[in-house]
Amino acid sequence: EPEVTQTPSHQVTQMGQEVILRCVPISNHLYFYWYRQILGQKVEFLVSFYNNEISEKSEIFDDQFSVERPDGSNFTLKIRSTKLEDSAMYFCASSEWRGGTDTQYFGPGTRLTVL
Amino acid sequence: GENVEQHPSTLSVQEGDSAVIKCTYSDSASNYFPWYKQELGKRPQLIIDIRSNVGEKKDQRIAVTLNKTAKHFSLHITETQPEDSAVYFCAASASGTYKYIFGTGTRLKVLA
Repeated sequence: EPEVTQTPSHQVTQMGQEVILRCVPISNHLYFYWYRQILGQKVEFLVSFYNNEISEKSEIFDDQFSVERPDGSNFTLKIRSTKLEDSAMYFCASSEWRGGTDTQYFGPGTRLTVL
Repeated sequence: GENVEQHPSTLSVQEGDSAVIKCTYSDSASNYFPWYKQELGKRPQLIIDIRSNVGEKKDQRIAVTLNKTAKHFSLHITETQPEDSAVYFCAASASGTYKYIFGTGTRLKVLA
């Protein structure tokens, strides 16, 4: 069964550095998402992406964040200048149809630690 | 804003007993309600979902019920097994949006 994959599994960075988290969505899916989960808390929506543009974003997704689909398979989340509070598990997800009414399949996550 | 409340935060049951987890949503436009199981250090996995035009859905030992009037939906696990131990998240979404709003999670422990 196809799965969403993410790299790296764990990223450690210094505060103020840029990080790029990578995801490979399921191949026939058209909608892509990033969520984050701070340790012990709920999963929070960051952004959705469709047809090479952001379709929806949350208040968390400020100017420090950006997303890109650089080629036909990868989907990336960039954090320009990391803060301590960006430490969290970041999940990529994808769905075949619009995510509000379709199942979103999650990747295994990237644990980001900002020191 | 949109919110999903989930209770209880932790639940311990004896193997073979039933477990019930309840969620309440605030956005009346919500019409899709997935449930995810997350084992320690792993990805959230969809276990069952329900749409607003259905009141109940069952898949083997797992069932979900939806009360649109009360904005409640619940997960029922019967004949629990140790491998059911995990964190369970409910979520809600509306057809006009792309996002899921997740509950705070329930840590289920099934005691052998």
